[in-house]
Amino acid sequence: QVQLQQSGPRLVQPSQTLSVTCAISGDSVSSKSASWHWIRQSPSRGLEWLGRTYYRSRWYNDYAVSVKSRIIINPDTSRNQFSLQLDSVTPEDTAVYYCGRYDAYNYSWGQGTLVTVSS
Amino acid sequence: QAVVTQEPSLTVSPGGTVTLTCASSTGTVTSGHYPFWFQQKPGQAPRTLIYDATNKYSWTPVRFSGSLLGGKAALTLSGAQPDDEAEYYCLLAYSGARVFGGGTKLTVL
Repeated sequence: QVQLQQSGPRLVQPSQTLSVTCAISGDSVSSKSASWHWIRQSPSRGLEWLGRTYYRSRWYNDYAVSVKSRIIINPDTSRNQFSLQLDSVTPEDTAVYYCGRYDAYNYSWGQGTLVTVSS
Repeated sequence: QAVVTQEPSLTVSPGGTVTLTCASSTGTVTSGHYPFWFQQKPGQAPRTLIYDATNKYSWTPVRFSGSLLGGKAALTLSGAQPDDEAEYYCLLAYSGARVFGGGTKLTVL
């Protein structure tokens, strides 16, 4: 059974970079049958898909248009994890961030991390 | 980026039937959008109910069904129970990107 464990700072200053990491157990970030996603949820924006990374002989990324200019999702094969980096954050980026795995059949999510953007 | 639209809220009586829909700003929702339906209760992560428009998981209650109906993806609940009160979200695929609908708050009353 795949488990996803999130970690990262809970408080980020405006204009700084938000970083959250998702450690994978029970699967490999380099799996050729899975993709690795980040979503977030806030009362004002509901659920929002942010992006994904996946490996199919090489690495691919897809990002939501709304954050495309300031997001990076990076796989880390040495630690079997992937991370979300969101630059130039504002209070609007305050949300619960979830990492997830998709296998063409099901999405499974991490426990969620509330990240607050505030000075 | 496409916009995915759901009813903001719906109410159903216990034992009743209700259909939630999921529309795309780009036009007809098809199987090529690989529609997913999620159920979310307060304080919990979203839980998958339906994949690829019509397919259920082993944990999906029999009373839930998915379809493509009138150019939209649809989730029908037949025989609503109090435990079905939750927020329901659809998710559509647009090539590499995914877009969530705004969610439907379902009240069983």
